[in-house]
Amino acid sequence: KAGVTQTPRYLIKTRGQQVTLSCSPISGHRSVSWYQQTPGQGLQFLFEYFSETQRNKGNFPGRFSGRQFSNSRSEMNVSTLELGDSALYLCASSFGRRTSGISYEQYFGPGTRLTVT
Amino acid sequence: AQTVTQSQPEMSVQEAETVTLSCTYDTSESNYYLFWYKQPPSRQMILVIRQEAYKQQNATENRFSVNFQKAAKSFSLKISDSQLGDTAMYFCALLGGGSQGNLIFGKGTKLSVKP
Repeated sequence: KAGVTQTPRYLIKTRGQQVTLSCSPISGHRSVSWYQQTPGQGLQFLFEYFSETQRNKGNFPGRFSGRQFSNSRSEMNVSTLELGDSALYLCASSFGRRTSGISYEQYFGPGTRLTVT
Repeated sequence: AQTVTQSQPEMSVQEAETVTLSCTYDTSESNYYLFWYKQPPSRQMILVIRQEAYKQQNATENRFSVNFQKAAKSFSLKISDSQLGDTAMYFCALLGGGSQGNLIFGKGTKLSVKP
């Protein structure tokens, strides 16, 4: 079974631009969560999508948004980029619902390294 | 608020020896999951082991085992027979109850396995 894939793997953008990152979950997984990883703040939750609906959102400004498609693929968008948005953006997928024998364990993609100059 | 604390920023161990990484957490929920993730220098986050809070038996996955102390809110990871490939950042993570897919991570412990 293929793992979580993220594209692109690396991005360099300029302040003020916007960027869209993509995540394809493991087949059968309906939940996609996004995390930002920086040396200073560590791993921080951005948002989670389940069945095309945002189910939970972290404490990030409105410049960070996302969506999920009917095939469970997800995108996140960052508008008006700032230098502080430079980070590794990780996507994780899971079944998203607790059923017998299935837990909420999340599986991560390789990440997208975003550099804002 | 839910929190996860890893008090050991860095640790090192000799190859073939055993090492224990500490993690404490805080949550008011009765139903939750705990995880240990490994992030090697290549950056791919890998799930190492998970523990359901309602299970008293400690989880084990090959050379990896946990010591889950629910009352003390402690969740340590023991790596036996350490291998060079175990060199990585290790993150302890908490997933609360309900339907929210929000993992709360600790700051991580950088483990170096020395030959």
